[in-house]
Amino acid sequence: NAGVTQTPKFRVLKTGQSMTLLCAQDMNHEYMYWYRQDPGMGLRLIHYSVGEGTTAKGEVPDGYNVSRLKKQNFLLGLESAAPSQTSVYFCASSLLTGGRGTEAFFGQGTRLTVV
Amino acid sequence: GDSVTQMEGPVTLSEEAFLTINCTYTATGYPSLFWYVQYPGEGLQLLLKATKADDKGSNKGFEATYRKETTSFHLEKGSVQVSDSAVYFCALRDRGSTLGRLYFGRGTQLTVWP
Repeated sequence: NAGVTQTPKFRVLKTGQSMTLLCAQDMNHEYMYWYRQDPGMGLRLIHYSVGEGTTAKGEVPDGYNVSRLKKQNFLLGLESAAPSQTSVYFCASSLLTGGRGTEAFFGQGTRLTVV
Repeated sequence: GDSVTQMEGPVTLSEEAFLTINCTYTATGYPSLFWYVQYPGEGLQLLLKATKADDKGSNKGFEATYRKETTSFHLEKGSVQVSDSAVYFCALRDRGSTLGRLYFGRGTQLTVWP
């Protein structure tokens, strides 16, 4: 029972490089989310998806792109990394809202450093 | 819009002390409320939740009561342990929203000393 799995767990990038973070969930959840966590800022929503083939912007989408080609996978891309994108990134998934107290399940996080 | 405000940290306690972490919320709809915990180097885990007014969520000795009249969901534990050292996040989810997103507070770092 893997839940939500993120790869990679750690990465160091040079400014201007690109990379893709992968999130996979095996719970058949409709909703998936990408958050970033910065000291003193809590978790901020980057992008989210309410189903396969759909994506939408969150609070801090600039500099990121996402894709959800398969229901179980949600990819976060950085086309040209900047030091301001140094952060810990969390993926989460949940069932379709409307259920009572439907919670989100989180991956273990990806620690990204841009130098 | 929806938002969560929680007590600024860090909080430092001795083992067996009483813990309260305050959380208040603003919501346009009728939210469900959650406390998540993040242990060092790990992702967030659900600690407890409450889905309607006056519900009490509880888990691992932690409790929180959904108070609609004061728009609060304070986290309490009667006797903390060293193993409770972690960051605690209060969150809400508007059950009437089709977006399904969670709104998080900024987190409260708890350190418990033996």
